Amino acid sequence: QQQVKQSPQSLIVQKGGISIINCAYENTAFDYFPWYQQFPGKGPALLIAIRPDVSEKKEGRFTISFNKSAKQFSLHIMDSQPGDSATYFCAAAPRGYQKVTFGTGTKLQVIP
Amino acid sequence: NAGVTQTPKFQVLKTGQSMTLQCAQDMNHNSMYWYRQDPGMGLRLIYYSASEGTTDKGEVPNGYNVSRLNKREFSLRLESAAPSQTSVYFCASSDPGQGALGYGYTFGSGTRLTVV
Repeated sequence: QQQVKQSPQSLIVQKGGISIINCAYENTAFDYFPWYQQFPGKGPALLIAIRPDVSEKKEGRFTISFNKSAKQFSLHIMDSQPGDSATYFCAAAPRGYQKVTFGTGTKLQVIP
Repeated sequence: NAGVTQTPKFQVLKTGQSMTLQCAQDMNHNSMYWYRQDPGMGLRLIYYSASEGTTDKGEVPNGYNVSRLNKREFSLRLESAAPSQTSVYFCASSDPGQGALGYGYTFGSGTRLTVV
């Protein structure tokens, strides 16, 4: 049972373009929605996170959009750079923030 | 640098062998986790420890055992390894007491395990 569905599985974007990764969840008890970035051979690292009381959060070139009624959230990477090439995971956790559930990941490649 | 340290980084086991994956964190975090990462399946929780002295099953606990040795250390044991346990294993720690948006997992660099 996949509680957090993520798409696409892979994504190729030209340098300077916008990368968009989408996620959907079913469990209404989820209260915290982080995104993690993982480079090859490394562990995932927290990138940005949002709670459902706001519809958007922006940190530099990274923006989370959140639609509570649709139970969907997405990551937008503006002005994508080759250094952004990595695997991105969306995730969700209930109040208390234990037991984070991860999506299946999106492998992003930014080409020059 | 502060963080989560996992050992070993690579391991090849024969079917039926046992081994223990070690994890230690130096951030004084209360909670620790073991995840496995497989292609197309993301990260799946094996076991977690909300605090020293407690452990609970995650999504895929079968074939594994854990020990929270102290606040710093959380080990994962495979008693009789199977090819289906070939995976990359990540340990993570967190401190939910930090509050919502400051909260996040700190992951180790992983153990790549192959069972033949």
